[in-house]
Amino acid sequence: GDSVTQMEGPVTLSEEAFLTINCTYTATGYPSLFWYVQYPGEGLQLLLKATKADDKGSNKGFEATYRKETTSFHLEKGSVQVSDSAVYFCALSSDSGNTPLVFGKGTRLSVIA
Amino acid sequence: GAGVSQTPSNKVTEKGKYVELRCDPISGHTALYWYRQSLGQGPEFLIYFQGTGAADDSGLPNDRFFAVRPEGSVSTLKIQRTERGDSAVYLCASTLSGANVLTFGAGSRLTVL
Repeated sequence: GDSVTQMEGPVTLSEEAFLTINCTYTATGYPSLFWYVQYPGEGLQLLLKATKADDKGSNKGFEATYRKETTSFHLEKGSVQVSDSAVYFCALSSDSGNTPLVFGKGTRLSVIA
Repeated sequence: GAGVSQTPSNKVTEKGKYVELRCDPISGHTALYWYRQSLGQGPEFLIYFQGTGAADDSGLPNDRFFAVRPEGSVSTLKIQRTERGDSAVYLCASTLSGANVLTFGAGSRLTVL
């Protein structure tokens, strides 16, 4: 079945450091790919998405590019802030309808000043 | 409403008891999902509704778990004869039909003693 594998955490970075969180997937067909973020004490929020190969999703300085050849959707940010401390989840949906999202295990990011 | 509302936010119960968790989705969202998130894990799909009917209940772990959405809006997740392994955060999400971007509630944390 469909699955998502993301790098284990926790990840601890200093403010203004470069962030990469790796995500690879296994799916039939052409899934849509997502990054969700869970800030402390809050619900999951969509951070960005990409629906086809070579698409780049971006939001709040975060970016991820849908790479079909490597089945990857790595999350990057050039300069992290303390406020980016959260748990990040990579997810996929196997079609464009209402097929339930499949999530990775999450990666906890802590940014220290 | 403005967001997805889940009640109670916290529920502590004893092994063997019956529990109901409620989800009030965004007004007009026809698709509603239940997920379960155990500590250190990503959300795990349980069931999804399209309108009043369960379109996919393949994630329900066993017949102690049941969910309803009688009027196509509010949904209730029901757990009978709770076990300690049921302890988790239960997440609800909603979306417009055909759109795969979910809006999540803050979750209901269930603790079974």
